[in-house]
Amino acid sequence: DAKTTQPPSMDCAEGRAANLPCNHSTISGNEYVYWYRQIHSQGPQYIIHGLKNNETNEMASLIITEDRKSSTLILPHATLRDTAVYYCIVRVQGNNRLAFGKGNQVVVIP
Amino acid sequence: DAGVIQSPRHEVTEMGQEVTLRCKPISGHDYLFWYRQTMMRGLELLIYFNNNVPIDDSGMPEDRFSAKMPNASFSTLKIQPSEPRDSAVYFCASSSGTRSHNEQFFGPGTRLTVL
Repeated sequence: DAKTTQPPSMDCAEGRAANLPCNHSTISGNEYVYWYRQIHSQGPQYIIHGLKNNETNEMASLIITEDRKSSTLILPHATLRDTAVYYCIVRVQGNNRLAFGKGNQVVVIP
Repeated sequence: DAGVIQSPRHEVTEMGQEVTLRCKPISGHDYLFWYRQTMMRGLELLIYFNNNVPIDDSGMPEDRFSAKMPNASFSTLKIQPSEPRDSAVYFCASSSGTRSHNEQFFGPGTRLTVL
């Protein structure tokens, strides 16, 4: 699976949109981008995934660049409960191995 | 649904003792995963099962670690003998193979401390 690069940490203002970047320049054509998050003292939680089109669900939006070498997870209205480590993972559909990197520690500030 | 259930939530033991961690996956899920999380190594996949059969145990650190899944609703991860470096949070996760992207649902974890 392709390697991903995320900033180690970032702060976001409560109520504002939070834009979390992820670089995956070596992504292959059959690899999907997945996002999970881990709130302190809890297990990771699935957020969203996509291949090449932008995706949206009740939690977030995922924007993937046309060349698929990077993506952005958007939390539309960040709340204090969104403070967590966010993991960007690239993997082939059907591959059951999730390779969690160091993630991005996101802190939502009041 | 109660989600993935793990027990105990916290375990403190002494070096050399046997430790058994337990997991009940979400009903109907046919995949079960064991992960370990430490500050140094992050979140690592240890082993996963499909339909109660171990598929990939390449992440199991050494022979002291063993995992079983006797039926679809129960799995154990055993460490014998335990060592201080085994101290970590151990997560169990499950997923359904009928969902094309196999979203994994994680349990709350077991925090293990080996003295």
